[in-house]
Amino acid sequence: QTVVTQEPSLTVSPGGTVTLTCASSTGAVTSGYYPNWFQQKPGQAPRALIYSTSNKHSWTPARFSGSLLGGKAALTLSGVQPEDEAEYYCLLYYGGAQSYVFGTGTKVTVL
Amino acid sequence: QVQLVQSGAEVKKPGASVKVSCKASGYTFTSYYLHWVRQAPGQGLEWMGIINPSGGSTSYAQKFQGRVTMTRDTSTSIVYMELSSLRSEDTAVYYCAREVGATSNFDYWGQGSLVTVSS
Repeated sequence: QTVVTQEPSLTVSPGGTVTLTCASSTGAVTSGYYPNWFQQKPGQAPRALIYSTSNKHSWTPARFSGSLLGGKAALTLSGVQPEDEAEYYCLLYYGGAQSYVFGTGTKVTVL
Repeated sequence: QVQLVQSGAEVKKPGASVKVSCKASGYTFTSYYLHWVRQAPGQGLEWMGIINPSGGSTSYAQKFQGRVTMTRDTSTSIVYMELSSLRSEDTAVYYCAREVGATSNFDYWGQGSLVTVSS
């Protein structure tokens, strides 16, 4: 069974920078996995931030950026704001019977 | 504006089935795939499957094969997700999410539908 692993939790100071990563149990993550990133706040539906590794939606704040880093997908938050405190999930595309797998999620605390 | 509006909360007994709906508006229904994702209380997101509203083709996660059925009604722009043989572990919020036609670009999500399985 494919597992997509993220850091369980990260803490960042307001105005700081933090990078979240998304690793696949099958090996290096490439652009062919079309990584997506989502933000979820308590009691809310997930909100899409990034698709196809680094593309932003029209509503995605400029401080969010996506990339590939050391064989993983990565989401970097620069100039973190208090409202960025949330759970973040990545999503990878595998094709076949298990087409998509979500990451385990990262809780970002702004302190 | 794009909207995905889901049906309300349901309480079901173990062994029963539940059918959750997701009504799409603000775009051409048949031009975007729709996915179903669930989230158990305090847990992460879990991908369940996808339906292409254009032809009705589906693909389900192996875990749900044989228990889940996704359908669509193009006359009302609604997709349905039916899960059978419910057990307590199926208690979760179920979301529909739109994908921009086979690009793996997930953009809009429904508000979620809570399904509680309890005797």
